[in-house]
Amino acid sequence: QSALTQPASVSGSPGQSITISCTGTSSDVGGYSSVSWYQQHPGKAPKLMIYDVDNRPSGVSNRFSGSKSGNTASLTVSGLQAEDEADYYCSSYTSSSVWVFGGGTKLTVL
Amino acid sequence: QVQLVQSGADVKKPGASVKVSCKASGYSFLTYDITWVRQAPGQGLEWMGWISANNGNTKYSQNLQGRVTMTTDTSTSTAYMELRSLTSDDTAVYYCARVEYIGSGMDVWGQGTTVTVSS
Repeated sequence: QSALTQPASVSGSPGQSITISCTGTSSDVGGYSSVSWYQQHPGKAPKLMIYDVDNRPSGVSNRFSGSKSGNTASLTVSGLQAEDEADYYCSSYTSSSVWVFGGGTKLTVL
Repeated sequence: QVQLVQSGADVKKPGASVKVSCKASGYSFLTYDITWVRQAPGQGLEWMGWISANNGNTKYSQNLQGRVTMTTDTSTSTAYMELRSLTSDDTAVYYCARVEYIGSGMDVWGQGTTVTVSS
């Protein structure tokens, strides 16, 4: 199972919005509503930010939102804050009954 | 509170095996499944496998098939991941995480266990 494709890095200024893409195939992202997004700060465990494509767990800021179109899922962070600077990973369930992660995207807040 | 607490860091020689534990508390262990994820130094997340805490069913990454075994002890609410025939490529932080259903995501994570493989 190949990893999902994410941009290596994105950046934005405080208050701006950014979008991170996650491209897979019809066997994973395109075939299931089982896409999730994780935030990871250096030296810390990942944190679930979005599940089931566009749902936020309790306690996650509504500045984070998810969507999907075809084989590509997206994470949008609006009103960027310094604390949003982190690595972000997408994940999807697949037709092989396994999960797969994206390669990760480093978000820099300028 | 809901938490997963993992065993401490370990150093192994090439060819050896390692067994990492993940003790759950604050929720009904049988209601959630456990996945294992690892992260090599400076690299991204790699999904290793999944085990149903309810019935012990497992699914492993093809990359690790034959070298990894995941088990649970429901009497102590603990999940285990054993990896055999270690090489330097297995040096990583190993995480356990809780999953309620396929689309629910991994909502609670352990603190991570650093496994170093070195001669």
